[in-house]
Amino acid sequence: KAGVTQTPRYLIKTRGQQVTLSCSPISGHRSVSWYQQTPGQGLQFLFEYFSETQRNKGNFPGRFSGRQFSNSRSEMNVSTLELGDSALYLCASSWDSQETQYFGPGTRLLVL
Amino acid sequence: AQSVTQLDSQVPVFEEAPVELRCNYSSSVSVYLFWYVQYPNQGLQLLLKYLSGSTLVESINGFEAEFNKSQTSFHLRKPSVHISDTAEYFCAVSDVWGAQKLVFGQGTRLTINP
Repeated sequence: KAGVTQTPRYLIKTRGQQVTLSCSPISGHRSVSWYQQTPGQGLQFLFEYFSETQRNKGNFPGRFSGRQFSNSRSEMNVSTLELGDSALYLCASSWDSQETQYFGPGTRLLVL
Repeated sequence: AQSVTQLDSQVPVFEEAPVELRCNYSSSVSVYLFWYVQYPNQGLQLLLKYLSGSTLVESINGFEAEFNKSQTSFHLRKPSVHISDTAEYFCAVSDVWGAQKLVFGQGTRLTINP
């Protein structure tokens, strides 16, 4: 089986812009979670989607949003980018809750 | 809410020496525990996990971790490390009901010297 794929792998944006990141889970997996990794804050949970519904949410502002499509692919969107949004954004998929999460390689976002 | 503390931010060891990476957690509910490894410029790979049952869990590449409920710890050990083990290691916890919401420690950078 192919692993979790994320596109794009690298992205440069400027403050105030918005960005959309994409995640394709492992075939058959229905849950997709997103995490932000920064040197200062470490790895932080953003949200989880299951069957097109947001099931869990972390403590991030409303500028961070996501969605999941019927084929389980997920996108996350960050609006009005700030310098502090520069990070590695990781997506993870699993068949269901209580199942192991498998992580993608991440999208590295740089906000200038 | 859960929290995870990895007691060492960096651990340098010589090749073939034993290593222990320490992890303590805090939670008011039952938890699952995980160790993930991150190689440079890559995502996270699951190393091992504790869900229930035997408190000693092992990975296929020689790592093991022991769940100690009384000390709220989940330390990672390997009796003999290799250069290829150089990576960052993350301890994580989730409660048994919100299992997809992982709370991570700050990570421990393991450096293996020849």
